[in-house]
Amino acid sequence: GDSVTQTEGLVTLTEGLPVMLNCTYQTIYSNPFLFWYVQHLNESPRLLLKSFTDNKRTEHQGFHATLHKSSSSFHLQKSSAQLSDSALYYCALSGNQGGSAKLIFGEGTKLTVSS
Amino acid sequence: DPKIIQKPKYLVAVTGSEKILICEQYLGHNAMYWYRQSAKKPLEFMFSYSYQKLMDNQTASSRFQPQSSKKNHLDLQITALKPDDSATYFCASSQETGGTYEQYFGPGTRLTVL
Repeated sequence: GDSVTQTEGLVTLTEGLPVMLNCTYQTIYSNPFLFWYVQHLNESPRLLLKSFTDNKRTEHQGFHATLHKSSSSFHLQKSSAQLSDSALYYCALSGNQGGSAKLIFGEGTKLTVSS
Repeated sequence: DPKIIQKPKYLVAVTGSEKILICEQYLGHNAMYWYRQSAKKPLEFMFSYSYQKLMDNQTASSRFQPQSSKKNHLDLQITALKPDDSATYFCASSQETGGTYEQYFGPGTRLTVL
């Protein structure tokens, strides 16, 4: 079945350093949708990035990611971490192009940024 | 104004009881979902509905029953509650046609079963 793997459960960074959170996936669908959701403490998940185009960089709020179908990856990056980036980050996959398709989430990566 | 309303925000129940979690969305979406998040598991898909019809069910237990009385409502009835049902339940919605299928999440209902 479809699955998403986030290898880092916890990432701790100093403010100003670059961020890279890994995400790989497995799916039977040839045109999956990939998403990054961010969840701050006591809040609900909020969409950060999305992509379904191979090798095209997508950016939002200083974060960026590129879907690479050849390596089944969708890593999240940011050039300089901020204290406010501390949150739980989920990579998610939707294999079906129908709008009622379920999101399959990875285990999540907790990012902690300190000064 | 919140676009997805979930009620109640917090819910405490005793083992064996029954509860209904309410979800209403005012985004004009035609697909709605339930997800569960607990300490043991990350975000986990439960159900999806499209135009008030069940599309996908990943919940093994029949104790969980979604109910769609209106096109922008998707409630979740849970019977015979167990302590393992303790989790935060998120309702989400998306536009099925003409959209990019991104899902928007409600604020969640935190359920504690004693």
